[in-house]
Amino acid sequence: LAKTTQPISMDSYEGQEVNITCSHNNIATNDYITWYQQFPSQGPRFIIQGYKTKVTNEVASLFIPADRKSSTLSLPRVSLSDTAVYYCLVGVGDSSYKLIFGSGTRLLVRP
Amino acid sequence: GAGVSQSPRYKVAKRGQDVALRCDPISGHVSLFWYQQALGQGPEFLTYFQNEAQLDKSGLPSDRFFAERPEGSVSTLKIQRTQQEDSAVYLCASSPGLGEDIQYFGAGTRLSVL
Repeated sequence: LAKTTQPISMDSYEGQEVNITCSHNNIATNDYITWYQQFPSQGPRFIIQGYKTKVTNEVASLFIPADRKSSTLSLPRVSLSDTAVYYCLVGVGDSSYKLIFGSGTRLLVRP
Repeated sequence: GAGVSQSPRYKVAKRGQDVALRCDPISGHVSLFWYQQALGQGPEFLTYFQNEAQLDKSGLPSDRFFAERPEGSVSTLKIQRTQQEDSAVYLCASSPGLGEDIQYFGAGTRLSVL
C-alpha cells in the first residue's frame, strides 16, 4: 500500500477555504484516494474518495493531478465545527479492506 | 437505522485483568473491522470479519487478543491479561459489502489499563 505524507497541522479562520495536500508518490494504478475526518472522542468519518481529476460532494472537493502523486482536499468556507483531524488514505489491491491511516492533519479553525 | 454502537465507552482495568469490548455493527453490514488507536496516532488495523468468518487477524498485537463474530452480527474483542501498553481507543467499523466499501466507525471504547 502506498505511503502518504501530509502536514501535521494547519490553522485557519472561519469562512476561509482550507486546502490540505497529501503526497503519495508510490500510488499504484488501481489505487483510489480516500479522505476521512475524525473529531475528538469519535471514530473516523468518510469524507470523499476519488481516482483522478476532481470530485465534489456536499462536504468537500478532491483535486487529483494527472500524475496522481498527490491530492488536495478542499474545504470551502470552514466553520469552527470543521476543527478535526483529516486523514488521507491510499490503496486498493488485495487488502483494500485494510484502511491504513497515517498521523493525519490536525486542522484548527479559529473564530 | 442506527450507526455502529460500541460498549462500554470507557473501561478501566487493572493490569492482568481480562476485558471484553462489544461492537454492534449497522444492521445488515457484511464486513466488520477492529482498529486500535493510540493517543495522537491514526487508527491501526487489527482484524477483519466477513459475516462470521475472520478473514484477516494479522493486526492483532499478540495472542492475548481475540475477536469473534459468531452469528455474523455483533462482535466482541477480548483482551486477556491486559498490559499497560494495551491502553488505547478500540474502534469498530462496518461496511455493507465485501470490505472494499466505505467503512462506518463507532465512537470507540477507551481502555485504560492501570
